Amino acid sequence: DQQVKQNSPSLSVQEGRISILNCDYTNSMFDYFLWYKKYPAEGPTFLISISSIKDKNEDGRFTVFLNKSAKHLSLHIVPSQPGDSAVYFCAATLNNNDMRFGAGTRLTVKP
Amino acid sequence: DTGVSQDPRHKITKRGQNVTFRCDPISEHNRLYWYRQTLGQGPEFLTYFQNEAQLEKSRLLSDRFSAERPKGSFSTLEIQRTEQGDSAMYLCASRPGDTQYFGPGTRLTVL
Repeated sequence: DQQVKQNSPSLSVQEGRISILNCDYTNSMFDYFLWYKKYPAEGPTFLISISSIKDKNEDGRFTVFLNKSAKHLSLHIVPSQPGDSAVYFCAATLNNNDMRFGAGTRLTVKP
Repeated sequence: DTGVSQDPRHKITKRGQNVTFRCDPISEHNRLYWYRQTLGQGPEFLTYFQNEAQLEKSRLLSDRFSAERPKGSFSTLEIQRTEQGDSAMYLCASRPGDTQYFGPGTRLTVL
């Protein structure tokens, strides 16, 4: 059962522009959401998170938006930099238990 | 302590052999998780420990898989009688709270 879905396997943007990565989930009980970034041959690196009681969390160039009614969250990166090129995973958790991950979106930021 | 470490980083084995991986979590993180990641997919939960107690196991964890965390510090994941379908990246993560911190993973190739 794929409870967390990232329907875009890849995204390409120009340096300096906004990158928007999307994620949908099916379990309305999830209470915490996270974004991870992964470079080749490395484990996922935590990027930013949001609790289900919030609808926005911002950290520097990264902002995560949560729309609970639509069961949708998105990650905005502004401005995008070539070093942001990586695979981004959306994850959700319930009551601090195991995390469910999406399949990932490969972001390419072109100089 | 700079993060979660895993050993080995790569393992190539022949079908039918047993393999064991080790994970050293971040000190004082009482929760430790094992995930499996295959190409084009996000990490899939296998099992997790709260200190030395194994609290949850995924259906993915067949009886050929066993995990231990004997002293509540490092953990081992053993796969017996490996099959080609076991080829994947095995990720370990630890967490003190909501956020998981991943190790670099062990890439297993079963020939």
